[in-house]
Amino acid sequence: EAGVTQSPTHLIKTRGQQATLRCSPISGHTSVYWYQQALGLGLQFLLWYDEGEERNRGNFPPRFSGRQFPNYSSELNVNALELEDSALYLCASSLTGTGWNEQYFGPGTRLTVT
Amino acid sequence: SQQGEEDPQALSIQEGENATMNCSYKTSINNLQWYRQNSGRGLVHLILIRSNEREKHSGRLRVTLDTSKKSSSLLITASRAADTASYFCATGTGRRALTFGSGTRLQVQP
Repeated sequence: EAGVTQSPTHLIKTRGQQATLRCSPISGHTSVYWYQQALGLGLQFLLWYDEGEERNRGNFPPRFSGRQFPNYSSELNVNALELEDSALYLCASSLTGTGWNEQYFGPGTRLTVT
Repeated sequence: SQQGEEDPQALSIQEGENATMNCSYKTSINNLQWYRQNSGRGLVHLILIRSNEREKHSGRLRVTLDTSKKSSSLLITASRAADTASYFCATGTGRRALTFGSGTRLQVQP
């Protein structure tokens, strides 16, 4: 069974540009999560999507946004890129349900803003 | 903000030895999950332990949870060079957002 996949692996952008990161969940998973791992800040929760809806959002500005498609894949968009947005962006997926389930992570997209 | 804090920050052991990592957290949790990360890439899920559980095993891994002390430990028995990685605990407190600790860097010397 394929795991969570993310594309691209690396992305280099200039300050002020927009970045789009993509994620495909494990088959059968309907929840997708986005996390940022920046140097010195650790892993921080960004967004949770389930059944096409944004369910929860971390402490990030509105220029971080995303969406979930009918096939449960997801996009993370970062507008007006700043140097401090340089980080590894990790996507995770899990089964839906009212309770907690394991979150399985993809390999990440490394975003570099110059 | 960091919810979980791992201890120690770094650990170096010989192959065959056991490795123990500890995690402390501050607020009530629904569950606690342990992950491994190799060389700054994706996270590998190791174990999920729920707040009403005290111990779980998976192969060479043993996780304990003490909610009264707000702490958890991960024991890796008979370590191998391939276990070299960073290990993170993550707490689930609500709305599916995992809060990660700063991690323990484990180095297993062959």
